[in-house]
Amino acid sequence: DSGVTQTPKHLITATGQRVTLRCSPRSGDLSVYWYQQSLDQGLQFLIQYYNGEERAKGNILERFSAQQFPDLHSELNLSSLELGDSALYFCASSVDPMRRAGQKHEQFFGPGTRLTVL
Amino acid sequence: AQSVTQLDSHVSVSEGTPVLLRCNYSSSYSPSLFWYVQHPNKGLQLLLKYTSAATLVKGINGFEAEFKKSETSFHLTKPSAHMSDAAEYFCVVSGFTSGTYKYIFGTGTRLKVLA
Repeated sequence: DSGVTQTPKHLITATGQRVTLRCSPRSGDLSVYWYQQSLDQGLQFLIQYYNGEERAKGNILERFSAQQFPDLHSELNLSSLELGDSALYFCASSVDPMRRAGQKHEQFFGPGTRLTVL
Repeated sequence: AQSVTQLDSHVSVSEGTPVLLRCNYSSSYSPSLFWYVQHPNKGLQLLLKYTSAATLVKGINGFEAEFKKSETSFHLTKPSAHMSDAAEYFCVVSGFTSGTYKYIFGTGTRLKVLA
């Protein structure tokens, strides 16, 4: 158990809909990362938050957004869903990578949310 | 700039034989390197990490990896494969590029273990 929790485990919805995925980081970790894993694209970094602020953006679509709350949990919002958005969405957490030697610390991954868009 | 290349998308071994999963990296300075394992429909679990201490790194489940700067490699090995090792393995390099922290995944190697 990595200490990172994600809900829900599975989500089935229709095209055009909006969903929210939730993540709670490991105790003490201020950085949260979101990834998308699909068969054709592999593992793609979406976005990083640190202590409530956006820190880095990856291949995140404009239809997607995220936020990190004061209690450090994070939510990923996916809207106007398309068939191609079906994927596993992972959340990860780590210590602050901007701290000295912080980049030596690994990211801990949650179990993921499997999104199916029909 | 940093990058990581996993040289084999699929590897098949027989149970009880050695495992070698290859990873080459590119980094403008001393990198941190990681190996993760992902079993079907599961999250990613850290196997081991290299952070500029010992070049031979031991991980969980009997895996180890050797950092070779001259070859820019960080190959993952295990002396004897077990059926439960069948999974996908990801090599990761981390560090800063243009002031931005990046955690860069390889494309993965799917390990098949034959009985």
